[in-house]
Amino acid sequence: KAGVTQTPRYLIKTRGQQVTLSCSPISGHRSVSWYQQTPGQGLQFLFEYFSETQRNKGNFPGRFSGRQFSNSRSEMNVSTLELGDSALYLCASSLPGEPSTDTQYFGPGTRLTVL
Amino acid sequence: AQSVTQLGSHVSVSEGALVLLRCNYSSSVPPYLFWYVQYPNQGLQLLLKYTSAATLVKGINGFEAEFKKSETSFHLTKPSAHMSDAAEYFCAVSDGNAGNMLTFGGGTRLMVKP
Repeated sequence: KAGVTQTPRYLIKTRGQQVTLSCSPISGHRSVSWYQQTPGQGLQFLFEYFSETQRNKGNFPGRFSGRQFSNSRSEMNVSTLELGDSALYLCASSLPGEPSTDTQYFGPGTRLTVL
Repeated sequence: AQSVTQLGSHVSVSEGALVLLRCNYSSSVPPYLFWYVQYPNQGLQLLLKYTSAATLVKGINGFEAEFKKSETSFHLTKPSAHMSDAAEYFCAVSDGNAGNMLTFGGGTRLMVKP
């Protein structure tokens, strides 16, 4: 079974631009979560989608948004990019089992660099 | 609010020595606890998880962790380190009321000396 895939793997943008990152979960998984990883702040939860609905949201500004499609694929968007948005963005998927205890499977991440 | 503290951002052991990575949590509700490993340029891989069953949890690659409620700890151990264990390790906690949201510790980079 294929793992979680994220595209693109690397991205370079300039301040003020917007970016869209894509995540394809493991087949059959319906929950998709997004995390930001930076050297300074570590791993921080962005949001979680389940059955096309946002189930949880982390403490990030409104410039960060996401959505989930009927096939469980998810995208996240960052508008008006800032230098501090440079990070590894990780996507994780899990089965529609018991929340909180589900095993989350992570993709390899998208490395975003903002110049 | 939940939080996770990993003592020691860098730990160095010799090959064959005991690995001990420390994790303490703070949670207002009974926690679910996880250990993940991250190799360079890769995502996170689950090593093991505690979900209120047995307090001693065995994971992949010979790792195990013990949930100690009185100490609010969930330390990760492995009896004998292997060179391939060199990676970054993250402890995480999940609140039973917040879906799949994970709160991560700052991570511990494990170095294994030959």
